[in-house]
Amino acid sequence: EDKVVQSPLSLVVHEGDTVTLNCSYEVTNFRSLLWYKQEKKAPTFLFMLTSSGIEKKSGRLSSILDKKELFSILNITATQTGDSAIYLCAVGVLKTSYDKVIFGPGTSLSVIP
Amino acid sequence: SAVISQKPSRDICQRGTSLTIQCQVDSQVTMMFWYRQQPGQSLTLIATANQGSEATYESGFVIDKFPISRPNLTFSTLTVSNMSPEDSSIYLCSVDKGLAGEQYFGPGTRLTVT
Repeated sequence: EDKVVQSPLSLVVHEGDTVTLNCSYEVTNFRSLLWYKQEKKAPTFLFMLTSSGIEKKSGRLSSILDKKELFSILNITATQTGDSAIYLCAVGVLKTSYDKVIFGPGTSLSVIP
Repeated sequence: SAVISQKPSRDICQRGTSLTIQCQVDSQVTMMFWYRQQPGQSLTLIATANQGSEATYESGFVIDKFPISRPNLTFSTLTVSNMSPEDSSIYLCSVDKGLAGEQYFGPGTRLTVT
């Protein structure tokens, strides 16, 4: 059965700290590793990774994938209170005619002033 | 990017009734997806809706409980039938950008069943 695991499940940090969120997976027909940020209801897309070792960056956020170890990390540097959210890791797997996305449980990040 | 709207944004319903959630996309898309997010849980795929064919349901979800319509390439509905308090969740629709699983999500419908 396809599975996505995240750790930690929750995290409280102070503004300015750097955090690393972890994601591991076991799936069949891997296509992509995706990171989403969920603040209220709708997740918003952060990154899609398909190749090992290539870091993707967007401002203070960065992510990298290790396809050999089936692992990805999301780094957030100089955290701000606006970074408080649930961060969802997901894996895209190929089905017969579409890509199915399997979500992990999420990491709830709280950034306190 | 796709702009997705959902109606209603929230509702409180009595057990035993049904609610239909609408999802509208501003461009034509092949696949639309319906997810459920129960309180404190992650997103679980309910079904995949392809225009012109029956929806494909994930394990644990059945058409009688969650009938889906997909009348055209920009619109879909999900009905939650014969509701119980366990159906209290956020229901999200999404569309595939066509890039290995990258999806855009609608704003969600928060359903509370009393």
